[in-house]
Amino acid sequence: DGGITQSPKYLFRKEGQNVTLSCEQNLNHDAMYWYRQDPGQGLRLIYYSQIVNDFQKGDIAEGYSVSREKKESFPLTVTSAQKNPTAFYLCAARSGQNSYGYTFGSGTRLTVV
Amino acid sequence: AQSVTQPDIHITVSEGASLELRCNYSYGATPYLFWYVQSPGQGLQLLLKYFSGDTLVQGIKGFEAEFKRSQSSFNLRKPSVHWSDAAEYFCAVVPGDSGYALNFGKGTSLLVTP
Repeated sequence: DGGITQSPKYLFRKEGQNVTLSCEQNLNHDAMYWYRQDPGQGLRLIYYSQIVNDFQKGDIAEGYSVSREKKESFPLTVTSAQKNPTAFYLCAARSGQNSYGYTFGSGTRLTVV
Repeated sequence: AQSVTQPDIHITVSEGASLELRCNYSYGATPYLFWYVQSPGQGLQLLLKYFSGDTLVQGIKGFEAEFKRSQSSFNLRKPSVHWSDAAEYFCAVVPGDSGYALNFGKGTSLLVTP
C-alpha cells in the first residue's frame, strides 16, 4: 500500500545533540511537508518542498534543517539551536500543484532530555 | 493576518447526542477547507473537504460540514456521537501560498461520556 513512513515512532536525545527524523513516501508525490505539533498549538509548518532539490521555510523553521535529494525522502534535522525540540512531528505529502489530496505519516515523538 | 480559529479547545458530549465543532477562517478569498481527525499519538485522517459547489459537504464516519461564506465559517456536525469519536479535531485551510501547505487551527478535543 502507498503511504508515508516516519521512523522512529519514539526518539530520545540528549540536549545539545542534533537528531534527524526520517520521512519516506512511496506515493510518487511531488510536495512534502513537515509539521510540529504541541498540545494546544495545532500543527505548525516547519519546512516544505515542492520538488526535488528545493525547499522553503515555513512558519517555525528556526533550529531545523531539511534536505530533498530524492523525491521519496524528506528528512528533518532538529539541531541544537532549536530551543524547545520536544514535540510530535508529522510529515505529509501532496501529489501535485493542482491537487489537494494530503497524506500524513503517523508521526515521530521526539523527547529531548 | 490569515488565520484559522477553532473557538472551543475542549468539548464534552454524551454518547448519542449531536455535535457541532466550530471553525472560522480569515482569508481574502474563499480558501479550500478541510476537517481532520487525530487519535492520540497518530497521524491525521481526512473527514471531509470543501472546494466549491454545494455548501453542505458529507464526509466519512457520518460527519458533515457546512460552508457559510457570510460568516467565514466551516462548522463540523454529527447528529449522533459514538464513543469512538473521541479524538482531536482540526480545521484547516489551504491559502494558496506556502507551497499549498495546510494551515491548521489549534484543534478541538472531543470527550464522549457514557
